[in-house]
Amino acid sequence: GAVVSQHPSWVICKSGTSVKIECRSLDFQATTMFWYRQFPKQSLMLMATSNEGSKATYEQGVEKDKFLINHASLTLSTLTVTSAHPEDSSFYICSALFGGAYEQYFGPGTRLTVT
Amino acid sequence: QQQVKQSPQSLIVQKGGISIINCAYENTAFDYFPWYQQFPGKGPALLIAIRPDVSEKKEGRFTISFNKSAKQFSLHIMDSQPGDSATYFCAASSDSSASKIIFGSGTRLSIRP
Repeated sequence: GAVVSQHPSWVICKSGTSVKIECRSLDFQATTMFWYRQFPKQSLMLMATSNEGSKATYEQGVEKDKFLINHASLTLSTLTVTSAHPEDSSFYICSALFGGAYEQYFGPGTRLTVT
Repeated sequence: QQQVKQSPQSLIVQKGGISIINCAYENTAFDYFPWYQQFPGKGPALLIAIRPDVSEKKEGRFTISFNKSAKQFSLHIMDSQPGDSATYFCAASSDSSASKIIFGSGTRLSIRP
């Protein structure tokens, strides 16, 4: 149990275009999901907290107009990178809060390359 | 105060040996300490977690030791195997932080056959 999927697993897009990444909890409902960004050989950096039915909460320094988050159902959260630029190239990982207040299960990640 | 400091940055252990990774925290409000294992190109996977009301938790070859007074905790991997080669992250969270996880910087573990 507690499986989280992401789609796509990798995506290449041209500079200036937008790309949407989906995060799904497959066998449980998640009122809270999180979006992280990870650069090579670095730790995970929390970008935002996504709550079902309400606006996402962004971490300091994260542009909310650039990284649009929608959590429309208890099993799906989406991250849209708008007007992507090469510096947005990164590994994006989502997680879903399972059961009680603490356990987070992570998706397999999405590799975004902006050319 | 929100940081979780992790060491070493990288670690090489012979097969069958014990791998030890250490972490320290400042925020006494943290009350949940998970360890994650991440393979290249994959998302982190929850390995084992502990709460501060116990000093040790063991699951198979993996053991967390927790020292509340020193605000330190560590992961021990017994009988380390080549398949354990991965990056390990310690982390901390609290209910008051809305379940946000604060990650350590990571340890790249290599098990030599």
